[in-house]
Amino acid sequence: DTEVTQTPKHLVMGMTNKKSLKCEQHMGHRAMYWYKQKAKKPPELMFVYSYEKLSINESVPSRFSPECPNSSLLNLHLHALQPEDSALYLCASSSPQTGNFGYTFGSGTRLTVV
Amino acid sequence: KQEVTQIPAALSVPEGENLVLNCSFTDSAIYNLQWFRQDPGKGLTSLLLIQSSQREQTSGRLNASLDKSSGRSTLYIAASQPGDSATYLCAVMSSEAGTALIFGKGTTLSVSS
Repeated sequence: DTEVTQTPKHLVMGMTNKKSLKCEQHMGHRAMYWYKQKAKKPPELMFVYSYEKLSINESVPSRFSPECPNSSLLNLHLHALQPEDSALYLCASSSPQTGNFGYTFGSGTRLTVV
Repeated sequence: KQEVTQIPAALSVPEGENLVLNCSFTDSAIYNLQWFRQDPGKGLTSLLLIQSSQREQTSGRLNASLDKSSGRSTLYIAASQPGDSATYLCAVMSSEAGTALIFGKGTTLSVSS
């Protein structure tokens, strides 16, 4: 298995809703990432998990809450989002334990906040 | 602070042309450089990964080179096809950012038949 799987592919949520994005990989990668991408912009780093511990939080608002329950799974919990949070949310993984560090990205979740 | 620049921002070519996409970075202290392809509204597909100790990587019609000392990489696409139309992103893993990738803004390529 050489894929990063993200669910759902599309999500529409109201500003008072609570939802979660899910990311899964079975490549044995021990680093996982959340990126946010607005239209016609490059991806921007949100969070880095290394060996299931949060190692980087790029000053992301607290309405975004990451969770890494195990080495294969990464969640992003969403609460009280704003319309400007509408974007493509990308999950990625890499293998720091092998020194390769090449990233594998998922296909993303297209989030619309109404 | 590491910055990544891609030139040109957009490129239109007829089918069959060979083309070069450019990427430059300001800090040569990188672990690796990775080229990605992104189709509209989709995720990123990794094309080539060049470790800091390597000079180039090849995959099919694609060849990427890395000159770390001058802070430059090029992606060469041979015999372009309409299916190559996409945005191409260059990203570096820089010592200042741990294992996070720093992206350029991308080159949007359009290949006409």
